Amino acid sequence: GIQVEQSPPDLILQEGANSTLRCNFSDSVNNLQWFHQNPWGQLINLFYIPSGTKQNGRLSATTVATERYSLLYISSSQTTDSGVYFCAVPAYGGSQGNLIFGKGTKLSVKP
Amino acid sequence: DAGVTQSPTHLIKTRGQHVTLRCSPISGHKSVSWYQQVLGQGPQFIFQYYEKEERGRGNFPDRFSARQFPNYSSELNVNALLLGDSALYLCASTEGAGGYGYTFGSGTRLTVV
Repeated sequence: GIQVEQSPPDLILQEGANSTLRCNFSDSVNNLQWFHQNPWGQLINLFYIPSGTKQNGRLSATTVATERYSLLYISSSQTTDSGVYFCAVPAYGGSQGNLIFGKGTKLSVKP
Repeated sequence: DAGVTQSPTHLIKTRGQHVTLRCSPISGHKSVSWYQQVLGQGPQFIFQYYEKEERGRGNFPDRFSARQFPNYSSELNVNALLLGDSALYLCASTEGAGGYGYTFGSGTRLTVV
C-alpha cells in the first residue's frame, strides 16, 4: 500500500521563527490533506491540497504531485502552533474515506 | 453549529470486556469514519460508513464492528478487549463519501487494564 513519510519527526522553535514540514508519499495521489492535532487531541483540517499552493494566514502548503511530496510552511510561529502536524492521503484502492496518515511532525514553539 | 461529538471522552475497561463508542456527525454530513490512534503514531483507519452502509474497512480484527443509524450517528463496538486496544478513537464526518473536508471529533480515550 501507499507509504507516507513525514520529516522532521520533532521540531523545536522559538516564537517568531519560520519552519518547513515535509511529507513524502510513495504513489500517485489525487488528494492530500494537512492536519494539526492540538495537545488535547483535536485534529483540525488545515489544507486540502492535491496540487499547487494554498495559503491561510501564516500557514501555506505546496504539493508537487509529480514528485510525490508536499510542504507545509509556518511563518512567524506562535506558541499556539504547538502540536503534531499530520499529512494524509487516500489509501490506494480503498474507499476515499480511507486516509493513510504519516507519523507526524511534533512541533514545540517556545515563548 | 455543533461539531462532531463523541462520547464518552474517557473510558477505562478491563481486558476481555466489551466497549461501545458513539459519534454524532455534523448536521448534514452523511459519512462517518472511525480511526484508532495509538500513542506516538498517526491515526489508522478502522471503518467508513456512508448512507448507513459500510464503505471501507481497515486492517482490524473482527472484534471491531460498527454501524450507522438513520440519523447518521454511528457506534463503534470492540469485543474481548486487549491491552493493545488502548488508544484514542477518533470519529470524522464528511458530507459525501469522499475523503476530503474531514471534520474530526475530540476523540474517546480508551484505556484497557
